[in-house]
Amino acid sequence: GQNIDQPTEMTATEGAIVQINCTYQTSGFNGLFWYQQHAGEAPTFLSYNVLDGLEEKGRFSSFLSRSKGYSYLLLKELQMKDSASYLCAVRDRSSASKIIFGSGTRLSIRP
Amino acid sequence: DSGVTQTPKHLITATGQRVTLRCSPRSGDLSVYWYQQSLDQGLQFLIHYYNGEERAKGNILERFSAQQFPDLHSELNLSSLELGDSALYFCASSPGGGLAGVDEQFFGPGTRLTVL
Repeated sequence: GQNIDQPTEMTATEGAIVQINCTYQTSGFNGLFWYQQHAGEAPTFLSYNVLDGLEEKGRFSSFLSRSKGYSYLLLKELQMKDSASYLCAVRDRSSASKIIFGSGTRLSIRP
Repeated sequence: DSGVTQTPKHLITATGQRVTLRCSPRSGDLSVYWYQQSLDQGLQFLIHYYNGEERAKGNILERFSAQQFPDLHSELNLSSLELGDSALYFCASSPGGGLAGVDEQFFGPGTRLTVL
């Protein structure tokens, strides 16, 4: 089966850097996604990792270590609009196209 | 705006009733995914259709069913509704079959279902 763990809540300061961790257990890893979801809105895609290493996209970066079943999302130069939930999701090869989402990390940015 | 449309936006109904949620994918996308999001749970995968065929099933209740039509729009039918079915239902679409690669999913605005 699959299990995804990420912190429930985090708080950070505007202009700072925050790292949101995600650990997962799957029987056949086939890609990890990060989504952003503002309260009451639809999730929007942030990043995708399938190989080990860091993927950078502007202020956001995502890292993956398949051997450790670990990923993190790094947000730099935090802005108030970054206050949202961040969802880690894993595609498991044994489950074909099914993507399993973690419960999400609610990030609050303070001025 | 993701290009995915969902109707209705809000739905209020009573226990025991049946409702249909509708989703139109982005132009050119062949896959449609349905998710349920409750307050106390994260995003739960329900079902995936690709070009009219069912591709994967999550923990979808037997009271729920879905289909994807030849024009690629999809409907999620929820019957014998219970209070616990109250949730936000999202549909998402992607260009490919979702088996490999990024095949980014674009989410619609959701349908908020309230069962009284």
